[in-house]
Amino acid sequence: QVQLQQWGAGLLKPSDTLSLTCAVYGGTFSDHYWNWIRQTPGKGLEWIGEIRHTGTTAYNPSLKSRVTMSVDSSNRQFSLRLRSVTAADTAVYYCAQGGTHYEFESWGQGTLVSVPS
Amino acid sequence: SYVLTQPPSVSVAPGQTARFRCEGFNIGFKNVHWYQQRPGQAPVLVVHDGVDRPSGIPDRIFGSTSGNAATLTILRAEDGDEADYFCQVWDSDSENVVFGGGTKLTVL
Repeated sequence: QVQLQQWGAGLLKPSDTLSLTCAVYGGTFSDHYWNWIRQTPGKGLEWIGEIRHTGTTAYNPSLKSRVTMSVDSSNRQFSLRLRSVTAADTAVYYCAQGGTHYEFESWGQGTLVSVPS
Repeated sequence: SYVLTQPPSVSVAPGQTARFRCEGFNIGFKNVHWYQQRPGQAPVLVVHDGVDRPSGIPDRIFGSTSGNAATLTILRAEDGDEADYFCQVWDSDSENVVFGGGTKLTVL
């Protein structure tokens, strides 16, 4: 069973860059898609994007201009950077293991990121 | 963009059947996934590809799809089933993952 552990700064200022990293324990790293998802009370769950062990990415069109994902396969980690954050980016951010039909099989514990206005 | 619509809440008595409806255009042609999220916890995948259960999910939880609706059913509801339930698909037209707004289950 895959376990995901994530970390990163939880309090940002407007215009900062959000940076989170997720480590993967167990399973075969190259077999899956590695995702970031966020959750707000108002907008619910929102997919941010995915990355494969090869570095191939796919992003939510609405966030694409501000998002960069990277992967460190040797250390079984992947990361999210979201530029120019605003209060609207305040959310709980999750990393998640994705399957072939975009099902999210395992999730990290979540990180609350706050951007006070 | 593609939209998934879920009722905000469902209430059932213990031991009764809870059903969660998720409506979307031609959703029967998509791979529908369902998640359970208990308060303060990350979501947990309970059904994928419409009808399949990950290991460890009891068989009293199952999914179905037909036409413009998908349904998650929980038989013999228990206090521990109280949670939010979300449906989700991949929309190939917008190249985006779409989640429903979620349904909160209360076991009275």
